Amino acid sequence: DVKVTQSSRYLVKRTGEKVFLECVQDMDHENMFWYRQDPGLGLRLIYFSYDVKMKEKGDIPEGYSVSREKKERFSLILESASTNQTSMYLCASSPGVGPQQFFGPGTRLTVL
Amino acid sequence: AQTVTQSQPEMSVQEAETVTLSCTYDTSENNYYLFWYKQPPSRQMILVIRQEAYKQQNATENRFSVNFQKAAKSFSLKISDSQLGDTAMYFCAFMTFNNAGNMLTFGGGTRLMVKP
Repeated sequence: DVKVTQSSRYLVKRTGEKVFLECVQDMDHENMFWYRQDPGLGLRLIYFSYDVKMKEKGDIPEGYSVSREKKERFSLILESASTNQTSMYLCASSPGVGPQQFFGPGTRLTVL
Repeated sequence: AQTVTQSQPEMSVQEAETVTLSCTYDTSENNYYLFWYKQPPSRQMILVIRQEAYKQQNATENRFSVNFQKAAKSFSLKISDSQLGDTAMYFCAFMTFNNAGNMLTFGGGTRLMVKP
């Protein structure tokens, strides 16, 4: 089974802090994604990566950056957390061929 | 840009009954995938069913089936013999074939509660 793990289930940070959310997949997938989930808005793509050190902006990249130094790991970085970044963050991965994405359990981030 | 609309924010159904969740989408593409994902209260998102737009036959997975109407750009999910474990958020999603990196566009979700 494909396994996508995220470093924290719940995280509480203060405004202005630098926040790292980590995602690891164990199936040698080329593609990795970070989504933000908010009520009524579904999931919105923040960034994705189709290869090591490669990244592309999604629909809502403002206030976020990403890092992919190794194929299995994709990090989401909030340089200076703000209260409007309080949300559920979901990581996903997919193989280079085939449409299915596999999701991690999510991180509920609260910024105070 | 593609958009996906789920017009039912919340639904409920009695156990063992049938329920249909609605989804419409807007695209100028001719070839694409459509998906229904389920997110139970434990939050792990899992794929329920997938439909390729070029296939006329509606996809079926056990108690889950879709009604794909390409001309109407409609993609509804039918759950038969509803079970308590079907209680979850359900998301309709869209992906084009020519999409580098296989990006998904999601609807806003429908919260389904199955009542005993």
